[in-house]
Amino acid sequence: AQSVTQLGSHVSVSEGALVLLRCNYSSSVPPYLFWYVQYPNQGLQLLLKYTSAATLVKGINGFEAEFKKSETSFHLTKPSAHMSDAAEYFCAVRLDTGGFKTIFGAGTRLFVKA
Amino acid sequence: GAGVSQSPRYKVTKRGQDVALRCDPISGHVSLYWYRQALGQGPEFLTYFNYEAQQDKSGLPNDRFSAERPEGSISTLTIQRTEQRDSAMYRCASSLDRAASYEQYFGPGTRLTVT
Repeated sequence: AQSVTQLGSHVSVSEGALVLLRCNYSSSVPPYLFWYVQYPNQGLQLLLKYTSAATLVKGINGFEAEFKKSETSFHLTKPSAHMSDAAEYFCAVRLDTGGFKTIFGAGTRLFVKA
Repeated sequence: GAGVSQSPRYKVTKRGQDVALRCDPISGHVSLYWYRQALGQGPEFLTYFNYEAQQDKSGLPNDRFSAERPEGSISTLTIQRTEQRDSAMYRCASSLDRAASYEQYFGPGTRLTVT
């Protein structure tokens, strides 16, 4: 069965600093991987997705993630944090077989200090 | 166009009462998903529909939970005889197709509080 682990429930960075949010997955077959962002009182919004076309995936708002099969990782990065990036971020894995369900990690809350 | 809508946005109910949560997906979206999100956790899969057919209900916690999508559009998640442990945010999502490559669009959620 697939699973997702997000290391660090809270991450704090200074404005302008590198953002790195970690995600490791477990899957017996090649997965589809996603990063979602959730702002307060809003629904989840897709940041980017990996669908096996390219290992480095670029998303919205300057975020990108790299799929590393050998490390079973899909870490999210942004070169320079902005105050508006403060939110909760969820990594998710999904298979194209079985139940088509999406399995989410527990989330990482990003704080950005001025 | 309009996104996924859910109603009510907030629901407070007394233990033992039944509640019905509604999800109106994006027009034309074939697949519809229900998730439950506890505070400080990621969304947890409950069930999903392809058109009007409930394809997977393995995430429903017990038989007090049920869902339907009779005409392949609007869906209702019903919780009977609510308990305090049912308190959570209930989220609905829809997608054009069930294939994993298709993006799921999430609604704002219904915050359920059972007192």
